[in-house]
Amino acid sequence: IAGITQAPTSQILAAGRRMTLRCTQDMRHNAMYWYRQDLGLGLRLIHYSNTAGTTGKGEVPDGYSVSRANTDDFPLTLASAVPSQTSVYFCASSPASGGAGEQFFGPGTRLTVL
Amino acid sequence: GENVEQHPSTLSVQEGDSAVIKCTYSDSASNYFPWYKQELGKGPQLIIDIRSNVGEKKDQRIAVTLNKTAKHFSLHITETQPEDSAVYFCAASGSGGYQKVTFGIGTKLQVIP
Repeated sequence: IAGITQAPTSQILAAGRRMTLRCTQDMRHNAMYWYRQDLGLGLRLIHYSNTAGTTGKGEVPDGYSVSRANTDDFPLTLASAVPSQTSVYFCASSPASGGAGEQFFGPGTRLTVL
Repeated sequence: GENVEQHPSTLSVQEGDSAVIKCTYSDSASNYFPWYKQELGKGPQLIIDIRSNVGEKKDQRIAVTLNKTAKHFSLHITETQPEDSAVYFCAASGSGGYQKVTFGIGTKLQVIP
């Protein structure tokens, strides 16, 4: 693994189903983030984690949950998917715990909820 | 909270011409302003950033300027090339503890050969 990876690459999901998007980084970065990207809205922060064991809510957290059991992994879970959660999801990490530094993004997961 | 406005949303230039993308922010406490480039099918990647203690920063064909008084910052790309075609995002964040990074909506730049 080099950098930050996400899985799956894409997924079509029936409404009401549970889904976990996976994110793994091998850079030993403290902070990790989940964004969703929608046309005309840019990147919006869903949840973040400053360090292993801690998480926080971003701009659009409703319907999503995260966990940070260790430094490398930061999964995003949709407990009961709805069509409005159709989006491209990006995981990112940064060396610093604060927001004021470079973020390294994964390749994204394209999720379609029908 | 912070609000970042970015324009234009789309920009087409001839190869070799310059491209300028402008952003404004609302929170005077913001002091870090990165620019990300997103190529088709990929995640955004940092291309340049500027902190509030400087007014301009250059890296080869790319430059960013910051006007703290007016709360706006701009990305300048000179001698554009087809590989510069991408979506560009500006962003703003503060410092101290965790400060959320707020992104603009993005500018789709097309460089016409």
